[in-house]
Amino acid sequence: DTEVTQTPKHLVMGMTNKKSLKCEQHMGHRAMYWYKQKAKKPPELMFVYSYEKLSINESVPSRFSPECPNSSLLNLHLHALQPEDSALYLCASARAGSGDEQYFGPGTRLTVT
Amino acid sequence: DAKTTQPTSMDCAEGRAANLPCNHSTISGNEYVYWYRQIHSQGPQYIIHGLKNNETNEMASLIITEDRKSSTLILPHATLRDTAVYYCIVRVVSHGQNFVFGPGTRLSVLP
Repeated sequence: DTEVTQTPKHLVMGMTNKKSLKCEQHMGHRAMYWYKQKAKKPPELMFVYSYEKLSINESVPSRFSPECPNSSLLNLHLHALQPEDSALYLCASARAGSGDEQYFGPGTRLTVT
Repeated sequence: DAKTTQPTSMDCAEGRAANLPCNHSTISGNEYVYWYRQIHSQGPQYIIHGLKNNETNEMASLIITEDRKSSTLILPHATLRDTAVYYCIVRVVSHGQNFVFGPGTRLSVLP
């Protein structure tokens, strides 16, 4: 299994809603990532988890809250988002050790109304 | 991580080789060159990476100059499905470290 899965594929939420994005991999990778991608722009890193611990937070607003409950799962909890948070949210994973190429999921297209 | 520069866009005829250049003149000795691509509305896909030697896999070849200040990704026989944005990234190989994506090159393979 060389796949990173993300659910849901699409999400529309209001500014007062609470929702969560889910990412899963079964490749035994111990690094997992959240990226945000606006239209016609490259992906921008948000968070990195290494061995289930948050290792990088790229100054992301607290309305985005990551969680890594185990080595296969990564969640992104969303609360009180703004319309400008509408974007494609990408999850990626990488194995421990050298090489370290990242495998990306298909993303969740988020629209905040 | 070192900065890279790539052309904004390129065209290639179907069946011909696509040669995508990348400049990374400030690359450090322990930084690798990675290539990813992103087909419209999909997640980025790993293509290849290398340190100083040329590399080849089933998808592409990576040619790195001797001074390591530039590299070229070669898709030997481009198909319409290779139309995508191609990102060149340089980074230290270290677990849990991030990739910094630049604007990339939008490759259009034309019939």
